[in-house]
Amino acid sequence: AQRVTQPEKLLSVFKGAPVELKCNYSYSGSPELFWYVQYSRQRLQLLLRHISRESIKGFTADLNKGETSFHLKKPFAQEEDSAMYYCALRGGSEKLVFGKGTKLTVNP
Amino acid sequence: NAGVTQTPKFRILKIGQSMTLQCTQDMNHNYMYWYRQDPGMGLKLIYYSVGAGITDKGEVPNGYNVSRSTTEDFPLRLELAAPSQTSVYFCASRNANKQDEAFFGQGTRLTVV
Repeated sequence: AQRVTQPEKLLSVFKGAPVELKCNYSYSGSPELFWYVQYSRQRLQLLLRHISRESIKGFTADLNKGETSFHLKKPFAQEEDSAMYYCALRGGSEKLVFGKGTKLTVNP
Repeated sequence: NAGVTQTPKFRILKIGQSMTLQCTQDMNHNYMYWYRQDPGMGLKLIYYSVGAGITDKGEVPNGYNVSRSTTEDFPLRLELAAPSQTSVYFCASRNANKQDEAFFGQGTRLTVV
């Protein structure tokens, strides 16, 4: 079974502080992992995919297969980063499963 | 390029009524998904489809039905609406290539009273 766990419902940081949004997964095969973001009154959109090893808007995420984690990090949070963040896993059956999401608030 | 379009945006249903949530994509994507989003519960997969004529159950399929007669359309049917189906529903589509992102519709807010 595919499962994604995001342990924090809410995360609040000050502008300029580092931020880490946690994501753990459960999947017996080789997973494909993503981070999606939903800004206020906007559609859900892709932020990062693990295979690209890219940095988008200063965010990075590393897949740790040993710890089955895909945490999202940014060294210096900005107010415009305030949003709902979802970790997602796609397995071999093409199911795309999401975690419960973490609401990030960056305070001035 | 319209992307993924959902109709209606809002709907209020009475218990026991039925309705169809429409989802259309113009990107020729093979895969399509229906999710419901409840506060604090994230996105739960209802049904998904890997191509025309093929559908499969997700995490919470009970009370819903889908069909995929064309590549573009993936309607979600509620036969006997219940208050537990009050939610925001999202449709998404993506290409068959690995790691391709899923594109989401703007959502349908459904209230069952």
